[in-house]
Amino acid sequence: AQSVTQLDSHVSVSEGTPVLLRCNYSSSYSPSLFWYVQHPNKGLQLLLKYTSAATLVKGINGFEAEFKKSETSFHLTKPSAHMSDAAEYFCVVVDRGSTLGRLYFGRGTQLTVWP
Amino acid sequence: DSGVTQTPKHLITATGQRVTLRCSPRSGDLSVYWYQQSLDQGLQFLIQYYNGEERAKGNILERFSAQQFPDLHSELNLSSLELGDSALYFCASSASGQTRQDTQYFGPGTRLTVL
Repeated sequence: AQSVTQLDSHVSVSEGTPVLLRCNYSSSYSPSLFWYVQHPNKGLQLLLKYTSAATLVKGINGFEAEFKKSETSFHLTKPSAHMSDAAEYFCVVVDRGSTLGRLYFGRGTQLTVWP
Repeated sequence: DSGVTQTPKHLITATGQRVTLRCSPRSGDLSVYWYQQSLDQGLQFLIQYYNGEERAKGNILERFSAQQFPDLHSELNLSSLELGDSALYFCASSASGQTRQDTQYFGPGTRLTVL
């Protein structure tokens, strides 16, 4: 079975400081992992994805994530937060079982950026 | 803009009624997925269609049904609506849905309010 745990429901940072959003996954097989972002009243936008290539994945808007198999983690980071980063972030794992393509979402982390 | 369109944006209806949500996938994408986002359940996978056929089912109620038409657009039908069905319903599409590397692109969602 696949599952994702986002360790923080809310994260607050000041503009210009680093961002760390934590995600742990559970998977019976080598997973594919994604981070999506949802701005208020908007749909979900793909930030980045890991599909068993390089373990450090670079995404849009300066975000990156590192796949650590030994820790079953896929934390999202950004060196310097911007006001426009305020949104909800979802860590997602793909089911590699019979229901190929089904996404399992974490409960989300709300990122607040203070000026 | 992901290229996935959903109509309507907002829907307000009464308990016991039936509604239809519509989704047009990105050009060339064969798979369509439906997700429900609610405060208590988070983002949950409902159902997937691939090239007109049902491929995977998630936590979809029997009162809900979906289909994908020959032009690949999809409709999600919700009947005998209850207050608890109030949620944001997302449609996503992907090129094939047959591999775990397939990226799903999300539409802006339909916000359903049941009064």
